[in-house]
Parts: sequence; structure tokens; C-alpha cells
Amino acid sequence: AQSVTQLDSHVSVSEGTPVLLRCNYSSSYSPSLFWYVQHPNKGLQLLLKYTSAATLVKGINGFEAEFKKSETSFHLTKPSAHMSDAAEYFCVVRPMNRDDKIIFGKGTRLHILP
Amino acid sequence: NAGVTQTPKFQVLKTGQSMTLQCAQDMNHNSMYWYRQDPGMGLRLIYYSASEGTTDKGEVPNGYNVSRLNKREFSLRLESAAPSQTSVYFCASSPEGRGRPDTQYFGPGTRLTVL
Repeated sequence: AQSVTQLDSHVSVSEGTPVLLRCNYSSSYSPSLFWYVQHPNKGLQLLLKYTSAATLVKGINGFEAEFKKSETSFHLTKPSAHMSDAAEYFCVVRPMNRDDKIIFGKGTRLHILP
Repeated sequence: NAGVTQTPKFQVLKTGQSMTLQCAQDMNHNSMYWYRQDPGMGLRLIYYSASEGTTDKGEVPNGYNVSRLNKREFSLRLESAAPSQTSVYFCASSPEGRGRPDTQYFGPGTRLTVL
């Protein structure tokens, strides 16, 4: 069985400062990992994905994430926050074993302070 | 190229009423999904379809039925709506079929209120 934990339900950063959104997972099999972003009253959009290639994954809008198997983590980072980054972010585990289901984290709401 | 479309955008039902949420994708994707989103719960998978003609239960299937009408369309039916089904419903599609998990593309959502 697998699970995903987003360690912070809310994160606030000042514009221009780094962003760190934390995600830990557990999976019996080698998973694919994703980060999605949801702006208010919108659907979800893919930011980036890890599918067993390079462990450092670059996504859209300057975001990146590093897969660390030893720490079972897939934290999302951005060097410099922009006001337009204010949104909710979801970490998603998708196992290779089809008996296990897709699991979404509960989300982290990112607030950008001017 | 519209991507994933959902109808309706908003719906209010009374307890016991039935309705069908429609979803269509024009990307020739194999897999389609229905999720519900509730505050503080993230998204929870209701049903999915890995290919035309197949459907499987997700995490929270009770009270729902689905139909994969063809490759493009995947509908979600509430036979007897309950207040606990008040939620925002998202449809998604993905090219993967039975292959390696791939990106999901989401529709704009249907906001359903059951009184």
C-alpha cells in the first residue's frame, strides 16, 4: 500500500524568497511522482513529474523537485517566489503496481506576501 | 483542441434526486478518471477507466456509477444524491492505458451541492 504526506497545509513566503513545499511518500513498488498546481476555481495542472529517470526534475514556471529514495521524499522548490505562484499544490503518488490506486496528498496552500 | 470538458459547471440537487455528470476529452487518451475534491482532503479517486469498455473502482466509489461510453466520453452518475456528495468533481484523462503512469489532464470541475 502507498501513501503520501504533505507536511504543511499552508506555507507563506515573501515575494522573491525561496519556496519549499514538502512531500513524503511510501510505496511498495517504484512509484511515479507528480506535483500539480491548482489556482482558485480552476482544474489541476501538471508542474513536473518523476518517472525513474533523473532524480532532479525541472518543471514549469521555475519549479523543480528532487526524488530522494533514501528519505522517501519529493520536495518541491523554487528559488524566487512570484505573486502568481499563490495557489494550492498537490503531491501525487502513482505506483507501477496497478493494484494500488493513485494517491493525492491533501494539498499545501502557498501564500505569497508582498 | 478543447482538452477535457465537463458539464455542467454548477448543479444544485435535492436529496434523492439523480443526475449524470458528463466528461469528454479530445486528446485520444486511453485512460479517464473521476475525482471528488473536498476541503482539506485533496482529491480522491471515485472511478477510473484504463480503456474503452473497462471501469474500475477507486478509493470512494459508493453512491456512484460510471459509463465509458466510447474513447472520448466518461460519465459519472449519482442515482440518489445525498448531502455527503456535495463536492467539486473533476474529470481527468491520461494517455497511459495500462502502461506506465503518465500526466493527467484535468477538466475545469463541476461544483455540486446536494440539499
